[in-house]
Amino acid sequence: QKEVEQNSGPLSVPEGAIASLNCTYSDRGSQSFFWYRQYSGKSPELIMFIYSNGDKEDGRFTAQLNKASQYVSLLIRDSQPSDSATYLCAVSPGGSNYKLTFGKGTLLTVNP
Amino acid sequence: NAGVTQTPKFRILKIGQSMTLQCTQDMNHNYMYWYRQDPGMGLKLIYYSVGAGITDKGEVPNGYNVSRSTTEDFPLRLELAAPSQTSVYFCASSNRAEQYFGPGTRLTVT
Repeated sequence: QKEVEQNSGPLSVPEGAIASLNCTYSDRGSQSFFWYRQYSGKSPELIMFIYSNGDKEDGRFTAQLNKASQYVSLLIRDSQPSDSATYLCAVSPGGSNYKLTFGKGTLLTVNP
Repeated sequence: NAGVTQTPKFRILKIGQSMTLQCTQDMNHNYMYWYRQDPGMGLKLIYYSVGAGITDKGEVPNGYNVSRSTTEDFPLRLELAAPSQTSVYFCASSNRAEQYFGPGTRLTVT
């Protein structure tokens, strides 16, 4: 069973701080990695994806991928109360370019 | 573009009843998916489709059926509803691995 693991949280950070969300995966053949944000009672929203080792930045968000360690992370700089949500890590298993395995998500709370 | 739309938003079913959850996408995506999400759990794949006329089982298909007669539509059928099917159901679509989700259907079976 291919697994994606995340700390369930809650992760609590003060406004303006950096929030660091982590994810590990078991399938060494995984090719694509995604971060979704899900507000309470809403559907998941894609915020970042990364395919290659290293960092990828988009505004206040940075995704980091280390395939050797089977580890992907999401950094949120200058965290805002509006960033408070559950963040889902998703991984595309090796051999599939369209199916995703999701982690259970990390609840982030940004305190004003 | 409306993206992915789902109906109904909410539904209460009695045990043993049947219903169809509707999903439509207007992005001309080849791939479509049905997930369920239970509290504190991640998204579990029920069924998926790689194109019109082609469907396959996901991780938790028991108690569900799907069909895909057009690119746009991917309905999910629940036969003989059971309390274990109480959940939030999300439909998604994609042309690659980046999936885009509909707003969800909250289903309660009592």
